[in-house]
Amino acid sequence: NAGVTQTPKFQVLKTGQSMTLQCAQDMNHNSMYWYRQDPGMGLRLIYYSASEGTTDKGEVPNGYNVSRLNKREFSLRLESAAPSQTSVYFCASSLDTDQPQHFGDGTRLSIL
Amino acid sequence: AQSVTQPDIHITVSEGASLELRCNYSYGATPYLFWYVQSPGQGLQLLLKYFSGDTLVQGIKGFEAEFKRSQSSFNLRKPSVHWSDAAEYFCAVGAQGSNYKLTFGKGTLLTVNP
Repeated sequence: NAGVTQTPKFQVLKTGQSMTLQCAQDMNHNSMYWYRQDPGMGLRLIYYSASEGTTDKGEVPNGYNVSRLNKREFSLRLESAAPSQTSVYFCASSLDTDQPQHFGDGTRLSIL
Repeated sequence: AQSVTQPDIHITVSEGASLELRCNYSYGATPYLFWYVQSPGQGLQLLLKYFSGDTLVQGIKGFEAEFKRSQSSFNLRKPSVHWSDAAEYFCAVGAQGSNYKLTFGKGTLLTVNP
């Protein structure tokens, strides 16, 4: 049972390039989330999907788009990467929005 | 708006010593409260949660936390720390009925000396 799987684990981009971060969960969870983690900032919610077919903005959505491809997969896209988006990105899932969230191991993204 | 404060950025304890990590929250109603642990290069792992009921909650790895409404606190404790407990610890608060609105503290880094 893999839980929440994120790919890739590491990525370096140039400013202006696009990139899609992938996330898949095998726990039959309804809700999925994307966070970014920056030093001294804790985790901040970018987007979430309460259930298949729905997505909503979180605290810091600017510069990002998401797709809930199916119940298992929730991707995060950077259309035109900026250095300010250098961060560690975490995907999480939960059975429903009022249940504890389970996290993947993160994607470390550097934008030069 | 809800908020979480973890007053201690970095704590160092000796192996075998007791541990208490502080967490204070701000939320208008009864919150959902969580403690997560993050080892280097890893994701966050849920240690324990408080939704309702008994205010002393037990978690994994020998951790416990106590919800004190009067102090708006949810401190994490462990009676005897092991070297493998060295990690970063995050407290989080969620709004009842809308857990997606999880707000995380900025974390407390725990160092364990042999």
